[in-house]
Amino acid sequence: AQTVTQSQPEMSVQEAETVTLSCTYDTSESDYYLFWYKQPPSRQMILVIRQEAYKQQNATENRFSVNFQKAAKSFSLKISDSQLGDAAMYFCAYRISNFGNEKLTFGTGTRLTIIP
Amino acid sequence: ETGVTQTPRHLVMGMTNKKSLKCEQHLGHNAMYWYKQSAKKPLELMFVYNFKEQTENNSVPSRFSPECPNSSHLFLHLHTLQPEDSALYLCASSQIGAQETQYFGPGTRLLVL
Repeated sequence: AQTVTQSQPEMSVQEAETVTLSCTYDTSESDYYLFWYKQPPSRQMILVIRQEAYKQQNATENRFSVNFQKAAKSFSLKISDSQLGDAAMYFCAYRISNFGNEKLTFGTGTRLTIIP
Repeated sequence: ETGVTQTPRHLVMGMTNKKSLKCEQHLGHNAMYWYKQSAKKPLELMFVYNFKEQTENNSVPSRFSPECPNSSHLFLHLHTLQPEDSALYLCASSQIGAQETQYFGPGTRLLVL
């Protein structure tokens, strides 16, 4: 069974600094997708970034980038120039690449605090 | 309305009540999901509907009854719930296909007394 582990329940960073959130996963599949979702106090789960396992290039979205290490089964999220609006729970998620199998497996989340 | 909406946002019910949660997606997707989010636990997938057909029931107790009348609407009917069912219930939608992402609604915070 696939599992997703986020070993940092809480993290904090000074505004404008850079922070990295870690995520590891376990799977026997070779083709899959990885996601980072953000859940602010409003509770809306918002997609931050997505990575296809077959792509060697790390995904980036503005201030957000990932470090995808397939052999190590590691998928960390780097937030550059942290802003107050980045404060939220961050969830790492995994999904097998299989048409019609849309099941997402989530980690337990990391609560990120931004220090003004 | 845009994205995925859920009503009500908050719900308090007794163990003998019957209530329903509603989800509507305005994204033209054809798959919808119910998740349960409890404190300090990973999100748990409850049900999946593809093209209005239920394709996954993740061992959910029968006191939770989903309904998907069309690809835009999803309901979760609740009856004789237990206090441990108190949680945030999230709805999501996606377009079926290997690369599509799930988009979430704001959730319904449920408290069972």
